[in-house]
Amino acid sequence: AQSVTQLDSHVSVSEGTPVLLRCNYSSSYSPSLFWYVQHPNKGLQLLLKYTSAATLVKGINGFEAEFKKSETSFHLTKPSAHMSDAAEYFCVVSVRGGATNKLIFGTGTLLAVQP
Amino acid sequence: EADIYQTPRYLVIGTGKKITLECSQTMGHDKMYWYQQDPGMELHLIHYSYGVNSTEKGDLSSESTVSRIRTEHFPLTLESARPSHTSQYLCASSLSGAGETQYFGPGTRLLVL
Repeated sequence: AQSVTQLDSHVSVSEGTPVLLRCNYSSSYSPSLFWYVQHPNKGLQLLLKYTSAATLVKGINGFEAEFKKSETSFHLTKPSAHMSDAAEYFCVVSVRGGATNKLIFGTGTLLAVQP
Repeated sequence: EADIYQTPRYLVIGTGKKITLECSQTMGHDKMYWYQQDPGMELHLIHYSYGVNSTEKGDLSSESTVSRIRTEHFPLTLESARPSHTSQYLCASSLSGAGETQYFGPGTRLLVL
Protein backbone atom coordinates (compact mmCIF):
# COMPACT_ATOMS: atom_id res chain seq x y z
CA ALA A 1 0.00 0.00 0.00
CA GLN A 2 1.10 3.53 -0.67
CA SER A 3 1.81 5.82 2.26
CA VAL A 4 3.94 8.72 3.40
CA THR A 5 5.67 9.26 6.73
CA GLN A 6 6.69 12.69 7.90
CA LEU A 7 9.40 12.08 10.42
CA ASP A 8 9.02 15.29 12.44
CA SER A 9 5.75 16.70 13.73
CA HIS A 10 7.43 20.00 14.70
CA VAL A 11 10.54 21.73 13.38
CA SER A 12 11.88 25.01 14.72
CA VAL A 13 14.57 27.04 12.96
CA SER A 14 15.96 30.54 13.24
CA GLU A 15 15.33 33.06 10.49
CA GLY A 16 18.06 32.86 7.87
CA THR A 17 19.06 29.27 8.66
CA PRO A 18 18.35 26.24 6.45
CA VAL A 19 15.11 24.29 6.57
CA LEU A 20 14.86 20.50 6.27
CA LEU A 21 11.47 18.77 6.47
CA ARG A 22 11.74 15.01 6.11
CA CYS A 23 9.40 12.69 4.25
CA ASN A 24 9.64 9.00 3.41
CA TYR A 25 7.22 7.28 1.11
CA SER A 26 6.09 3.76 0.42
CA SER A 27 4.88 2.90 -3.06
CA SER A 28 4.69 -0.25 -5.16
CA TYR A 29 5.36 1.73 -8.33
CA SER A 30 6.94 5.01 -9.37
CA PRO A 31 4.96 7.56 -7.39
CA SER A 32 3.89 11.12 -7.91
CA LEU A 33 4.87 13.12 -4.84
CA PHE A 34 3.87 16.56 -3.69
CA TRP A 35 4.56 19.04 -0.94
CA TYR A 36 1.70 21.31 0.12
CA VAL A 37 1.83 24.18 2.61
CA GLN A 38 -1.04 25.31 4.83
CA HIS A 39 -0.86 28.71 6.50
CA PRO A 40 -3.18 29.40 9.45
CA ASN A 41 -6.78 29.85 8.35
CA LYS A 42 -5.84 29.40 4.71
CA GLY A 43 -6.26 26.62 2.19
CA LEU A 44 -3.58 24.24 1.01
CA GLN A 45 -1.11 25.63 -1.50
CA LEU A 46 0.99 23.45 -3.79
CA LEU A 47 4.71 24.03 -3.20
CA LEU A 48 6.11 21.54 -5.70
CA LYS A 49 5.55 18.14 -7.27
CA TYR A 50 7.60 15.22 -8.57
CA THR A 51 6.24 13.19 -11.49
CA SER A 52 9.20 11.03 -12.62
CA ALA A 53 11.06 13.76 -14.47
CA ALA A 54 14.07 15.47 -12.83
CA THR A 55 14.80 14.14 -9.35
CA LEU A 56 15.52 17.63 -7.96
CA VAL A 57 12.32 19.61 -8.03
CA LYS A 58 12.20 23.35 -7.53
CA GLY A 59 9.07 24.90 -6.12
CA ILE A 60 7.74 28.28 -5.08
CA ASN A 61 9.20 30.55 -2.40
CA GLY A 62 12.70 29.07 -2.72
CA PHE A 63 11.76 25.54 -1.64
CA GLU A 64 13.04 22.43 -3.37
CA ALA A 65 12.85 18.69 -2.84
CA GLU A 66 14.93 15.77 -4.02
CA PHE A 67 13.44 12.42 -4.95
CA LYS A 68 15.76 9.61 -3.82
CA LYS A 69 14.46 6.24 -4.87
CA SER A 70 17.18 4.30 -3.05
CA GLU A 71 16.20 5.95 0.22
CA THR A 72 12.45 6.24 -0.60
CA SER A 73 12.70 9.85 0.51
CA PHE A 74 11.38 13.19 -0.71
CA HIS A 75 12.75 15.71 1.78
CA LEU A 76 11.85 19.40 1.48
CA THR A 77 14.60 21.99 1.87
CA LYS A 78 15.15 25.72 1.74
CA PRO A 79 18.56 27.40 2.14
CA SER A 80 17.37 30.29 4.29
CA ALA A 81 14.17 30.42 6.32
CA HIS A 82 11.94 33.47 6.34
CA MET A 83 9.39 34.37 8.99
CA SER A 84 6.63 33.97 6.40
CA ASP A 85 7.59 30.28 5.99
CA ALA A 86 6.01 29.46 9.36
CA ALA A 87 3.17 27.09 8.48
CA GLU A 88 2.24 23.43 8.34
CA TYR A 89 3.74 21.35 5.54
CA PHE A 90 2.25 18.15 4.15
CA CYS A 91 4.05 15.50 2.12
CA VAL A 92 1.63 13.77 -0.21
CA VAL A 93 1.73 10.72 -2.49
CA SER A 94 -0.66 10.25 -5.37
CA VAL A 95 -2.09 6.75 -5.79
CA ARG A 96 -4.19 5.32 -8.54
CA GLY A 97 -7.70 4.52 -7.32
CA GLY A 98 -10.16 3.50 -10.00
CA ALA A 99 -10.39 6.11 -12.72
CA THR A 100 -8.74 8.86 -10.73
CA ASN A 101 -5.71 9.56 -8.60
CA LYS A 102 -6.17 9.88 -4.85
CA LEU A 103 -3.90 11.85 -2.57
CA ILE A 104 -2.56 10.23 0.59
CA PHE A 105 -1.43 12.87 3.07
CA GLY A 106 1.27 12.66 5.69
CA THR A 107 0.48 13.80 9.21
CA GLY A 108 2.12 17.17 8.62
CA THR A 109 5.14 19.04 9.97
CA LEU A 110 4.60 22.32 11.77
CA LEU A 111 7.46 24.70 10.95
CA ALA A 112 8.21 27.48 13.42
CA VAL A 113 10.64 30.25 12.45
CA GLN A 114 12.26 32.17 15.29
CA PRO A 115 13.47 35.75 14.79
CA GLU B 1 -3.54 31.28 -7.45
CA ALA B 2 -6.22 28.61 -7.90
CA ASP B 3 -9.79 29.73 -8.58
CA ILE B 4 -11.65 27.49 -6.19
CA TYR B 5 -14.06 28.88 -3.64
CA GLN B 6 -15.75 27.57 -0.55
CA THR B 7 -18.58 29.05 1.46
CA PRO B 8 -19.14 29.55 4.25
CA ARG B 9 -15.61 29.86 5.62
CA TYR B 10 -16.86 29.33 9.17
CA LEU B 11 -20.14 27.80 10.40
CA VAL B 12 -21.41 27.27 13.93
CA ILE B 13 -24.67 25.35 14.04
CA GLY B 14 -26.83 23.33 16.42
CA THR B 15 -27.26 19.57 16.46
CA GLY B 16 -29.88 18.23 14.06
CA LYS B 17 -29.68 21.03 11.53
CA LYS B 18 -29.26 20.37 7.82
CA ILE B 19 -26.24 22.09 6.30
CA THR B 20 -24.75 22.45 2.84
CA LEU B 21 -21.13 23.40 2.26
CA GLU B 22 -20.58 25.01 -1.11
CA CYS B 23 -17.61 24.51 -3.40
CA SER B 24 -17.14 26.09 -6.81
CA GLN B 25 -14.25 26.23 -9.25
CA THR B 26 -13.86 28.32 -12.38
CA MET B 27 -10.97 26.40 -13.92
CA GLY B 28 -13.08 23.91 -15.89
CA HIS B 29 -11.65 20.99 -13.93
CA ASP B 30 -13.52 17.74 -14.42
CA LYS B 31 -12.50 16.15 -11.13
CA MET B 32 -13.46 17.45 -7.70
CA TYR B 33 -12.83 16.20 -4.18
CA TRP B 34 -13.87 16.71 -0.56
CA TYR B 35 -11.44 16.14 2.30
CA GLN B 36 -11.98 16.21 6.04
CA GLN B 37 -9.23 17.48 8.33
CA ASP B 38 -9.43 17.33 12.11
CA PRO B 39 -7.23 19.79 14.04
CA GLY B 40 -3.55 18.88 13.86
CA MET B 41 -4.25 15.88 11.67
CA GLU B 42 -3.77 14.89 8.04
CA LEU B 43 -6.46 15.18 5.39
CA HIS B 44 -8.71 12.26 4.57
CA LEU B 45 -10.67 11.92 1.31
CA ILE B 46 -14.42 11.57 1.92
CA HIS B 47 -15.92 12.13 -1.56
CA TYR B 48 -14.81 12.66 -5.14
CA SER B 49 -16.29 13.10 -8.57
CA TYR B 50 -14.98 12.33 -12.07
CA GLY B 51 -17.42 14.72 -13.70
CA VAL B 52 -21.06 15.69 -13.97
CA ASN B 53 -23.42 13.10 -12.44
CA SER B 54 -20.55 11.04 -11.01
CA THR B 55 -19.86 10.79 -7.28
CA GLU B 56 -17.81 8.28 -5.33
CA LYS B 57 -17.09 7.71 -1.65
CA GLY B 58 -13.54 8.26 -0.48
CA ASP B 59 -11.34 6.40 1.95
CA LEU B 60 -12.87 7.84 5.14
CA SER B 61 -16.47 6.94 5.83
CA SER B 62 -18.69 10.00 6.10
CA GLU B 63 -22.37 10.59 6.76
CA SER B 64 -22.32 13.48 4.32
CA THR B 65 -23.55 13.31 0.73
CA VAL B 66 -22.46 15.16 -2.40
CA SER B 67 -23.88 15.98 -5.80
CA ARG B 68 -22.37 17.08 -9.12
CA ILE B 69 -25.03 18.56 -11.36
CA ARG B 70 -22.72 21.15 -12.89
CA THR B 71 -19.01 20.87 -13.68
CA GLU B 72 -18.07 23.86 -11.56
CA HIS B 73 -20.15 23.05 -8.49
CA PHE B 74 -19.70 20.24 -5.91
CA PRO B 75 -21.75 20.86 -2.75
CA LEU B 76 -21.55 18.68 0.36
CA THR B 77 -24.63 18.13 2.53
CA LEU B 78 -25.16 16.89 6.07
CA GLU B 79 -28.83 16.06 6.63
CA SER B 80 -28.58 16.19 10.42
CA ALA B 81 -25.44 17.71 11.89
CA ARG B 82 -23.90 16.19 15.02
CA PRO B 83 -20.97 17.30 17.20
CA SER B 84 -18.90 14.45 15.71
CA HIS B 85 -19.10 16.30 12.37
CA THR B 86 -17.08 19.19 13.81
CA SER B 87 -14.04 19.47 11.56
CA GLN B 88 -12.52 21.37 8.66
CA TYR B 89 -13.77 20.45 5.20
CA LEU B 90 -11.52 21.15 2.22
CA CYS B 91 -12.62 21.05 -1.41
CA ALA B 92 -10.20 20.46 -4.28
CA SER B 93 -10.28 20.07 -8.04
CA SER B 94 -8.00 18.79 -10.78
CA LEU B 95 -7.74 18.18 -14.48
CA SER B 96 -7.32 14.66 -15.78
CA GLY B 97 -3.74 13.64 -16.51
CA ALA B 98 -0.58 15.74 -16.04
CA GLY B 99 -0.02 14.25 -12.61
CA GLU B 100 -3.51 15.37 -11.66
CA THR B 101 -2.33 18.15 -9.38
CA GLN B 102 -5.13 19.04 -7.00
CA TYR B 103 -5.86 22.67 -6.19
CA PHE B 104 -7.51 23.39 -2.86
CA GLY B 105 -10.06 25.88 -1.67
CA PRO B 106 -9.67 27.79 1.62
CA GLY B 107 -11.79 25.32 3.58
CA THR B 108 -14.89 25.50 5.76
CA ARG B 109 -14.47 25.20 9.51
CA LEU B 110 -17.61 23.57 10.93
CA LEU B 111 -18.53 23.56 14.61
CA VAL B 112 -21.63 21.63 15.64
CA LEU B 113 -22.85 22.39 19.14
